[in-house]
Amino acid sequence: LAKTTQPISMDSYEGQEVNITCSHNNIATNDYITWYQQFPSQGPRFIIQGYKTKVTNEVASLFIPADRKSSTLSLPRVSLSDTAVYYCLVGDMLSFGNEKLTFGTGTRLTIIP
Amino acid sequence: EAGVAQSPRYKIIEKRQSVAFWCNPISGHATLYWYQQILGQGPKLLIQFQNNGVVDDSQLPKDRFSAERLKGVDSTLKIQPAKLEDSAVYLCASSPRQGSALHFGNGTRLTVT
Repeated sequence: LAKTTQPISMDSYEGQEVNITCSHNNIATNDYITWYQQFPSQGPRFIIQGYKTKVTNEVASLFIPADRKSSTLSLPRVSLSDTAVYYCLVGDMLSFGNEKLTFGTGTRLTIIP
Repeated sequence: EAGVAQSPRYKIIEKRQSVAFWCNPISGHATLYWYQQILGQGPKLLIQFQNNGVVDDSQLPKDRFSAERLKGVDSTLKIQPAKLEDSAVYLCASSPRQGSALHFGNGTRLTVT
């Protein structure tokens, strides 16, 4: 299983761009990288998923270098409502039964007014 | 679409008692997951179902935990007997197919005294 390492916590001011990096040095060929967001007293919520290069959706961008040993979640112009825990997951999305979606301890992002 | 429904929202029991949690996934979602989230940690996968068959239960403490998914829809997770260290939030998630984003419910917070 590819283990992930993220910063425990980050602080940022409203309106800034926030980048959270995740290290996954032993990522396997079939592994995809997925990010989830979790607010207190709620279940995690899917943000974005990618395999290589760059993926962008309406809420975030995901940057994955060529060696895929790390990835960066980018949140543009954050607001107070982006205060949450962000989890990076690496899992095999192609082999049935081998997803092994393992959450680490995540990054606690605090947005400061 | 309606989200993943879980009940009860909260449960307090004494150690050695039994408890059951219920999950109703999003309609049509073939894959169902149960996670355990201890305070301050990321969710830990307990069991994964594909329709009504178990795909992965390698991290389920089978001496006290059991889960079933009748008819490939609703699922129940049971703990018998409960221990103090079982105090956690139990999250249910579903996805339409292998490799798709997980949709989580808001969980059941269990306190064992």
